[in-house]
Amino acid sequence: GAGVSQSPRYKVAKRGQDVALRCDPISGHVSLFWYQQALGQGPEFLTYFQNEAQLDKSGLPSDRFFAERPEGSVSTLKIQRTQQEDSAVYLCASSLVQGSVGTEAFFGQGTRLTVV
Amino acid sequence: GESVGLHLPTLSVQEGDNSIINCAYSNSASDYFIWYKQESGKGPQFIIDIRSNMDKRQGQRVTVLLNKTVKHLSLQIAATQPGDSAVYFCAENISGGSYIPTFGRGTSLIVHP
Repeated sequence: GAGVSQSPRYKVAKRGQDVALRCDPISGHVSLFWYQQALGQGPEFLTYFQNEAQLDKSGLPSDRFFAERPEGSVSTLKIQRTQQEDSAVYLCASSLVQGSVGTEAFFGQGTRLTVV
Repeated sequence: GESVGLHLPTLSVQEGDNSIINCAYSNSASDYFIWYKQESGKGPQFIIDIRSNMDKRQGQRVTVLLNKTVKHLSLQIAATQPGDSAVYFCAENISGGSYIPTFGRGTSLIVHP
């Protein structure tokens, strides 16, 4: 497809379980962003990649959160020992332009994570 | 416990009316602003942007107004249609600084046929 693809669309995890969320950006897009969106809130920045380099991870809420993009394309957001407060929609966005989330950025549909 | 975050500000309009969605931003250093539309079950979609050297910008059926004095943005949608029903977010950013925009809380627009 032509858009940003995220999988799975829905994930239910038991508290303490590890999860991995996948993002397939638009082909050729150098920038990739992860956001966390709690119910009824705006997206909050988690981390940013330029190609394979993770340039900013200041938004990751704890060391249980880890993201990678080893070949500069697909990215995985991993959450270890999930907790209830991790329940949210995790959004991925990619951009052809370095570091931009304006006109040139496209968001995926998100992965809704529910921790029970 | 009560989930206060569930109660988004809501604007209800009739089809064909004009809609105005407001947003207050927080950082006086912000110089780039974006409006996004998010439909249920989808990611945010870019609508229109504006830089701080402008106070008005028009797109197709949408207009963004910027008042830097009071740090206020508005999104005007002309002849609102049922397909405009969504949550609208404004985001602020600082060019040349952090490229990561800060999103506001959002307003839910409901368009009645």
